[in-house]
Amino acid sequence: QVQLVESGGGVVQPGRSLRLSCAASGFTFSNYGMHWVRQAPGKGLEWVAVIWYDGSNKYYADSVKGRFTISRDNSKNTLYLQMNSLRAEDTAVYHCARPRGGSGSSPPDYWGQGILVTVSS
Amino acid sequence: QSALTQPRSVSGSPGQSVTISCTGTSSDVGAYNYVSWYQQHPGKAPKLMIYDVSKRPSGVPDGFSGSKSGNRASLTISGLQAEDEADYYCCSYAGSYTLVFGGGTKLTVL
Repeated sequence: QVQLVESGGGVVQPGRSLRLSCAASGFTFSNYGMHWVRQAPGKGLEWVAVIWYDGSNKYYADSVKGRFTISRDNSKNTLYLQMNSLRAEDTAVYHCARPRGGSGSSPPDYWGQGILVTVSS
Repeated sequence: QSALTQPRSVSGSPGQSVTISCTGTSSDVGAYNYVSWYQQHPGKAPKLMIYDVSKRPSGVPDGFSGSKSGNRASLTISGLQAEDEADYYCCSYAGSYTLVFGGGTKLTVL
């Protein structure tokens, strides 16, 4: 069965960096684009970024463009999110999610449980 | 990239039907048939309930249905059950390989 497990979250000071990982299993990871989606405490879902199956294309929400970088290592079945210049408003649970059908333009079908990132001094 | 508009809350009694709306623009909901709906219980990951406006994944009860008219999509839940109480989110492809979500609707089963 499809499994997505995020790691790397925690408490970080404003302006600092953090890298999230998402370990994928149960499907052919290298055939699928992947999304990051976040959810601030008590708030709704917000799409963050998407990467193509081969890493050749990446797209970002305006709120994180220039600060966050999505990447992947298909040899390790792992997705990453490098988050730099973190702000208080980046505090959220971050989910990795698989687009239905594999295309980066598709909304997700499977989601990880999420990992909490807290940006606070 | 403005969020899609959903009602903050809806409610219904067991056995009844409820409909949750999701209003976007001609650049997202109105432009593409890539609207999905998710159910999220507290502390859990979102679960796909409807994709491509009206298609139901395997394992999702047939009481869940989706539709779209213009810039507005809808999720209807028929035969409400206690376990349907959750938050529901719509999501649409918004062009340029971006997605946009709704603000979420809290469904209460009375």
